[in-house]
Amino acid sequence: DAKTTQPNSMESNEEEPVHLPCNHSTISGTDYIHWYRQLPSQGPEYVIHGLTSNVNNRMASLAIAEDRKSSTLILHRATLRDAAVYYCILRDGNNAGKSTFGDGTTLTVKP
Amino acid sequence: DTGVSQDPRHKITKRGQNVTFRCDPISEHNRLYWYRQTLGQGPEFLTYFQNEAQLEKSRLLSDRFSAERPKGSFSTLEIQRTEQGDSAMYLCASSLGRTSRLVHEQFFGPGTRLTVL
Repeated sequence: DAKTTQPNSMESNEEEPVHLPCNHSTISGTDYIHWYRQLPSQGPEYVIHGLTSNVNNRMASLAIAEDRKSSTLILHRATLRDAAVYYCILRDGNNAGKSTFGDGTTLTVKP
Repeated sequence: DTGVSQDPRHKITKRGQNVTFRCDPISEHNRLYWYRQTLGQGPEFLTYFQNEAQLEKSRLLSDRFSAERPKGSFSTLEIQRTEQGDSAMYLCASSLGRTSRLVHEQFFGPGTRLTVL
């Protein structure tokens, strides 16, 4: 399985943008980049996904490097409710099954 | 609430006992996944069903673990002869996929926390 590498932890101030990096140097052509987050005592929650182009949705933006070996999840204005563990995951577009989560980045948001 | 539900939310058992967990996916979702998560780590994939067919199993799913989804709706995960190393959060997720291809968004339940004494 292609693996991802993320910093263990990051801090942000409330209402400031947050850039969460992810490296995936062994990504294959059919791998999609997904981001999930997990709030304390809850199951993971889908945030965003992309293949090659940058993506925006109501929760966040995903910036994907041209060579696809790295990506960045952007929270435009962090709130206290965004404090969570953020997981960057690669999933094969031809395989509906397995997801391989890493250990994620713990985001702390300071008021 | 029409999300994924799991029962029980917490289970404490003694080593050597059998335990069974239930997952009820979102009603129209045909795909169902089981994961295990230990403290401080990300979820680990265990197995995946499309309707009632179990299509993929992780090597983590030892002979003591069995999962079923008999009618393509709810699923059960049974652990026989529990060991202390089985203590973890067991997460269920579901999604709707009309072909064999990937569906990007999985909806996770709140999990069942198992403690083996």
